[in-house]
Amino acid sequence: GESVGLHLPTLSVQEGDNSIINCAYSNSASDYFIWYKQESGKGPQFIIDIRSNMDKRQGQRVTVLLNKTVKHLSLQIAATQPGDSAVYFCAPLCGNNNDMRFGAGTRLTVKP
Amino acid sequence: KAGVTQTPRYLIKTRGQQVTLSCSPISGHRSVSWYQQTPGQGLQFLFEYFSETQRNKGNFPGRFSGRQFSNSRSEMNVSTLELGDSALYLCASSPGTTSGTYGETQYFGPGTRLLVL
Repeated sequence: GESVGLHLPTLSVQEGDNSIINCAYSNSASDYFIWYKQESGKGPQFIIDIRSNMDKRQGQRVTVLLNKTVKHLSLQIAATQPGDSAVYFCAPLCGNNNDMRFGAGTRLTVKP
Repeated sequence: KAGVTQTPRYLIKTRGQQVTLSCSPISGHRSVSWYQQTPGQGLQFLFEYFSETQRNKGNFPGRFSGRQFSNSRSEMNVSTLELGDSALYLCASSPGTTSGTYGETQYFGPGTRLLVL
C-alpha cells in the first residue's frame, strides 16, 4: 500500500516568517496530491491541490511544490499567522481512486 | 452549500457494545469515505461508498462496516467495541465519478469522537 511520510513531525515558526512543510510519498503512480489543514477539534480542511502534470501551484499565501523525481512535495506558507497553527497532512491519490492514505501529519505552531 | 455533517458529535460506549455513526454529504456529492483518526495511528482510511456500493476498503477488521443510502447519506457501524476503537471518526464526501483521470478533493465533516470505556 501507499507509504506516506512527513520529514518533520513538528514545526515552530515566528509569526510573519515563512513555513515549509514537507511530505514524501512512495507510490510513483500517485498523480494527484492534496494538502489538508486540521485545527484542534475540527475535521481536515482542504488547502490546495496539485496534479502530477504540474510542479508548482500557488494559492493565497500558500504554494505547493511537487518533485516527482524524488517523490516529494512541500507546502510553503508565506507570512505565517497564528491562525495557521494546525496539523498539516498531505494525501497522495492514484487515478480516480478516492482512497487517501495520509501520513502522520506535521504540527505547525506559530509563535507571536 | 451546507458542508458535511456528522452525528452524533460525541459518543461514549462500553466494551462489547455496538455503535452507528451517521454522515450526510455535501448536497450533490455521491462518494462518501470514512476515516479513523487516533493519536497513535493518525488518519486511516476505513472505506468508501459510491452509489450505495462499497468501492474501496482499508485494512480494518470486519467489525467495521458501513452502508450508503439512495440519498448518499452514509452510516458506519462498529460492533463488539474494543478500547482501541476510541477515536475520531471522520466522514468525507466528494462529487464521485466512475471514470476520470484524477482523484477528487474530499471535504471532511467535523467528526464523531467515540470513547470506549
